[in-house]
Amino acid sequence: DARVTQTPRHKVTEMGQEVTMRCQPILGHNTVFWYRQTMMQGLELLAYFRNRAPLDDSGMPKDRFSAEMPDATLATLKIQPSEPRDSAVYFCASGLASGGHTDTQYFGPGTRLTVL
Amino acid sequence: AQSVTQPDIHITVSEGASLELRCNYSYGATPYLFWYVQSPGQGLQLLLKYFSGDTLVQGIKGFEAEFKRSQSSFNLRKPSVHWSDAAEYFCAVGFMEYGNKLVFGAGTILRVKS
Repeated sequence: DARVTQTPRHKVTEMGQEVTMRCQPILGHNTVFWYRQTMMQGLELLAYFRNRAPLDDSGMPKDRFSAEMPDATLATLKIQPSEPRDSAVYFCASGLASGGHTDTQYFGPGTRLTVL
Repeated sequence: AQSVTQPDIHITVSEGASLELRCNYSYGATPYLFWYVQSPGQGLQLLLKYFSGDTLVQGIKGFEAEFKRSQSSFNLRKPSVHWSDAAEYFCAVGFMEYGNKLVFGAGTILRVKS
């Protein structure tokens, strides 16, 4: 049963610390999405990769957030320095897309981040 | 601009009763349509999707959804709700101009009374 995996599942850190979240997309998928979910804002798209290339990171605060795909099996989302307002659940999703066709996104279990 | 609306923030139904969750979108063409469910502390799970063809789509867990072009709607239904259906439900829409991205509705929280 292929699944998106995310580590860590929970992270508690202090303000100013660096946080790195990792995602392993489903093998063979060529799109990866990072979302942030909060009570106030709901589900927000932070960044989107296709074939490991970043296509859209307009939803991401550029000064402190960065997203990369070092290889096809790993996507990372980094926050440096972290702030209390970054506390949220961060989801990774992957999908298989061809052309401009929107395809199904499969979500990981999320990383619950708490910044004190 | 393209948008997705789930007009009901909360819905409460009795166990065994029927359910309909509403989803409307604003778009000039036929988009790609999805329903996801999120249980507390979990990620989003795909219930069903519509790309083309038969406008009545069957999904997992006994859910179905109907695409109505004239109403720009994709409502989710279940004939008999179980207590385990209590969760948050998200409608998501893929618009061609957005490439592979999805626009999510704000979600509807379903409570089930026993």
